[in-house]
Amino acid sequence: EIVMTQSPATLSVSPGEKATLSCRASQSVNSNLVWYQQKPGQAPRLLISGASTRATGIPARFSGSGSGTEFTLTISSLQSEDFAVYYCQQYKNWWTFGQGTKVEIK
Amino acid sequence: EVQLVESGGGLVQPGGSLRLSCAASGFTFSRYWMSWVRQAPGKGLEWVANIKQDGSDKYYVDSVKGRFTISRDNAKNSVYLQMNSLRAEDTGVYYCAREAWFGDFWGQGTLVTVSS
Repeated sequence: EIVMTQSPATLSVSPGEKATLSCRASQSVNSNLVWYQQKPGQAPRLLISGASTRATGIPARFSGSGSGTEFTLTISSLQSEDFAVYYCQQYKNWWTFGQGTKVEIK
Repeated sequence: EVQLVESGGGLVQPGGSLRLSCAASGFTFSRYWMSWVRQAPGKGLEWVANIKQDGSDKYYVDSVKGRFTISRDNAKNSVYLQMNSLRAEDTGVYYCAREAWFGDFWGQGTLVTVSS
């Protein structure tokens, strides 16, 4: 099983600031990685696929990078609606998820 | 518009059974693999099972093998999860997701609570 590890567990950021979230895979997943956003009581929402391709309707302030085992999700200027939990997930070998990073208001 | 609507959750005693349903609309259902993913209260996401377009291939996470069965009815645009021998650790919100290698659309989920 490919284990996904996200850091940090919680990120405190002020509105308008930049947020950088990390995700590490226990073995290479190439670019078979997605990022989801989840708000309380809601389903996960696809943000990024193929490590760096924004999904339809996702604002340009969200960007993804990385390949192999190290990945990053960057939110360039946090808006109020961006405070949520973010999950990475690999799809190279079945699906496994990171434990999530909660982005909270500082 | 793609829509996935889950139903069938509820409170069940340990050892009991439930059948979850997921009704799909807004896309050609028979062209996609479908998955079930669950989330324990306050926890992260865990893939549970998936099924091929024609139902000929099915896969499960080890913790549910032999207890859960995934199936689909393409005529009804629906996917199902039959859950038997339920345990407390099966408690959580169960989501169905359309697979485009990853989950590109998700339903809102249905809550399963296993408790005496």
